[in-house]
Amino acid sequence: NAGVTQTPKFRVLKTGQSMTLLCAQDMNHEYMYWYRQDPGMGLRLIHYSVGEGTTAKGEVPDGYNVSRLKKQNFLLGLESAAPSQTSVYFCASSYYGSGYTFGSGTRLTVV
Amino acid sequence: QQQVKQSPQSLIVQKGGISIINCAYENTAFDYFPWYQQFPGKGPALLIAIRPDVSEKKEGRFTISFNKSAKQFSLHIMDSQPGDSATYFCAASKGNYGQNFVFGPGTRLSVLP
Repeated sequence: NAGVTQTPKFRVLKTGQSMTLLCAQDMNHEYMYWYRQDPGMGLRLIHYSVGEGTTAKGEVPDGYNVSRLKKQNFLLGLESAAPSQTSVYFCASSYYGSGYTFGSGTRLTVV
Repeated sequence: QQQVKQSPQSLIVQKGGISIINCAYENTAFDYFPWYQQFPGKGPALLIAIRPDVSEKKEGRFTISFNKSAKQFSLHIMDSQPGDSATYFCAASKGNYGQNFVFGPGTRLSVLP
């Protein structure tokens, strides 16, 4: 039982490049989330999904897009990376009564 | 207000001591208050959580104290151990599974041997 798996774990991008972060969960959770974590700012919600085929904006959605084509997968895309997007990205999932389960994170550096 | 304030930003405690981290919230609609523990290079993991209908919840060496009138809650770690060294996040939410979680900025705890 893997829980929430994020790939890749580390990535370095040049400004303007694009990439996709993949999140997969095997707990049949309805809700999935993408957060970014920056020093002194805690966890900030980027986008979330309340079920397959649905997505919604969180607190800091600009510069990111997401897709939830399958219930178990939640993809986070950066179309044109900027240095301000250097951060650690966490995916999480939840179900009624379950609380949040987080992945182990993706450390992204944009140079 | 959706903010959750957390203090201190960092904390150093001797082995065997008591670690105390405090959080305060504004939104009276919040009804779920979890604490997450995060080790370096790992994602946050749920440590303990409380609902506002109780004033205290204890799980092993970890205790949450909740003061509804003051809109404050705190994490107490008794007999702190070096293995407790981690970053601790408080959070508040309406419900325990949706997108309405608001996280505090975190407290980095170091327990000295």
